[in-house]
Amino acid sequence: AQSVTQLGSHVSVSEGALVLLRCNYSSSVPPYLFWYVQYPNQGLQLLLKYTSAATLVKGINGFEAEFKKSETSFHLTKPSAHMSDAAEYFCAVSRNSGNTPLVFGKGTRLSVIA
Amino acid sequence: KAGVTQTPRYLIKTRGQQVTLSCSPISGHRSVSWYQQTPGQGLQFLFEYFSETQRNKGNFPGRFSGRQFSNSRSEMNVSTLELGDSALYLCASTVEGRENEKLFFGSGTQLSVL
Repeated sequence: AQSVTQLGSHVSVSEGALVLLRCNYSSSVPPYLFWYVQYPNQGLQLLLKYTSAATLVKGINGFEAEFKKSETSFHLTKPSAHMSDAAEYFCAVSRNSGNTPLVFGKGTRLSVIA
Repeated sequence: KAGVTQTPRYLIKTRGQQVTLSCSPISGHRSVSWYQQTPGQGLQFLFEYFSETQRNKGNFPGRFSGRQFSNSRSEMNVSTLELGDSALYLCASTVEGRENEKLFFGSGTQLSVL
């Protein structure tokens, strides 16, 4: 069965600092990996998606993630945190080639300190 | 273009009652998925409908059911509500659920079971 593990339920960074949110996956087949963001009282918004076209995936709002098969990781990074980045971030893997169903990690809450 | 619309936004029910939640996908989208989000279990897949047929189903008891209409609008029903059913229920839509498509989420229905 496919699964994802997000290390750290809460990450706090200073404004302007590097953002690093960790995600490790477990999959018996090449996975389709996703990062979603959820702002308070809102649904999920896709940040980026890995589909084996390139190991470094660039997303919206300056985020990017690198797929590392040897480490089974798909960590999310952003060079400089902004106050508006404060939200909950979810890593997800799909069980098949489509978008659903998605298996989500438990989420990481990102706080940005001024 | 209107986004995914979920109604109602908030709902309060008591144990033993049943509830119906509604989801209107983005115009032109035929695949609708439902997810349950709770603080303890995180985001869990409920089911997916495509062209009025259930295409995928998560690991939830039979009290959880859904359907999709010819206009792609979807409803999910929970019968004999339990306290543990309190959650944010998210609906997501995509054109056909293929890998190259983006999944769009609604803002969810917050269900509280007293």
